[in-house]
Amino acid sequence: QLVLTQSPSASASLGASVRLTCTLSSGHNRYAIAWHQQQPEKGPRYLMKVNSDGSYSKGDGIPDRFSGASSGPERDLIISSLQSEDEADYYCQAWGTGIPVFGGGTKLTVL
Amino acid sequence: EVQLVESGGASVQPGGSLRLSCTASGFTLISYWMHWVRQAPGKGLVWVSHINSDGDDIDYADSVKGRFTISRDNAKNTLYLQMTDLRVEDTAVYFCGSGRYYPMSWGQGTLVIVSS
Repeated sequence: QLVLTQSPSASASLGASVRLTCTLSSGHNRYAIAWHQQQPEKGPRYLMKVNSDGSYSKGDGIPDRFSGASSGPERDLIISSLQSEDEADYYCQAWGTGIPVFGGGTKLTVL
Repeated sequence: EVQLVESGGASVQPGGSLRLSCTASGFTLISYWMHWVRQAPGKGLVWVSHINSDGDDIDYADSVKGRFTISRDNAKNTLYLQMTDLRVEDTAVYFCGSGRYYPMSWGQGTLVIVSS
């Protein structure tokens, strides 16, 4: 069974960089995942898809500050030059056995 | 501009019914798989249901199977979620999303409250 694990919270300073990690459950190392951002009181926003080889493809209008990476079962979202509007919840999502599966989300605080 | 707009959320008693709608503008739904995803207060995103572009590939989360029905009217560019036998635990904001494996466009959500 596919399970996506995310740390509940993360924080970083304005202008700094942060790496958020989504860990795939055992046996699912080759799965691609998507990252979605949800700002307070808003609907989610698709950011990018991250493949097992570390390549990634971003959605329309996603700033260059956002990038992806991959290592083994870990799929990362990297945000550089943090801005106040990056304070949000970030969810990873994969396609399981015919259905989408979401991680529990990481709440990012920009200090 | 690509936009999805949900509507139909309301406050209902346990056992009641509601129909949610998701209307697209700026693109035609006919080409897309569509999903319903919900978010209980203070909780994360949970997939509810999806339907393929032709309407012949449909699936539901176990928690709603037999109570919720997803459908689409491509002529009206609208996705629906018929919800019956609502339970307190169905209380959530319901989002629609378009995309085959990963929702790449999302709506702003509509709130469903189930309470006596």
